[in-house]
Amino acid sequence: QKEVEQDPGPLSVPEGAIVSLNCTYSNSAFQYFMWYRQYSRKGPELLMYTYSSGNKEDGRFTAQVDKSSKYISLFIRDSQPSDSATYLCASSSKTSYDKVIFGPGTSLSVIP
Amino acid sequence: DAGVTQSPTHLIKTRGQQVTLRCSPKSGHDTVSWYQQALGQGPQFIFQYYEEEERQRGNFPDRFSGHQFPNYSSELNVNALLLGDSALYLCASSIDSEAFFGQGTRLTVV
Repeated sequence: QKEVEQDPGPLSVPEGAIVSLNCTYSNSAFQYFMWYRQYSRKGPELLMYTYSSGNKEDGRFTAQVDKSSKYISLFIRDSQPSDSATYLCASSSKTSYDKVIFGPGTSLSVIP
Repeated sequence: DAGVTQSPTHLIKTRGQQVTLRCSPKSGHDTVSWYQQALGQGPQFIFQYYEEEERQRGNFPDRFSGHQFPNYSSELNVNALLLGDSALYLCASSIDSEAFFGQGTRLTVV
């Protein structure tokens, strides 16, 4: 079993839709949870960073972490064509220097 | 702030050759990690450097080695290249667990 799993998609939605992206993880030691956005042939860009359980909102983006079910979500409101990218969820343990474990990424296309 | 910078951006090598990739971390970051990202996959952790020493290592063979310099910049070296080493190599600098990535070096082994 991989430590971080997510549906690779592809996911295609119309412009303006609410997008829900989800991940599960298996390592109970994970305390830090991140979402990265990666455009084609570019490096990952940090979108959201959450410590432990709870919600975090930044503009059109909301990240949710439920440690009891080991479930990570990212919601994108009023999706735009510029949101078309691969979204990577990632986790690391409570030690500040631990490696980051990534899921395989979900490919999202927002159709105008 | 220039962010994390990597060089070169693209590289083509022949099987059996050796390659060196370079990374300059984000200002103020003293920890550098290297990742390999195959096409269609998430990044896979190779190793991490802190205070010029390898602090953690992923499941990669000894052909993969690295170095960190006193100014926190880092190099990734891969010896005896295989076709399967073709990938995007990403450098990330971090503070706590918030990692910032460079644009990567795309290595093609032919």
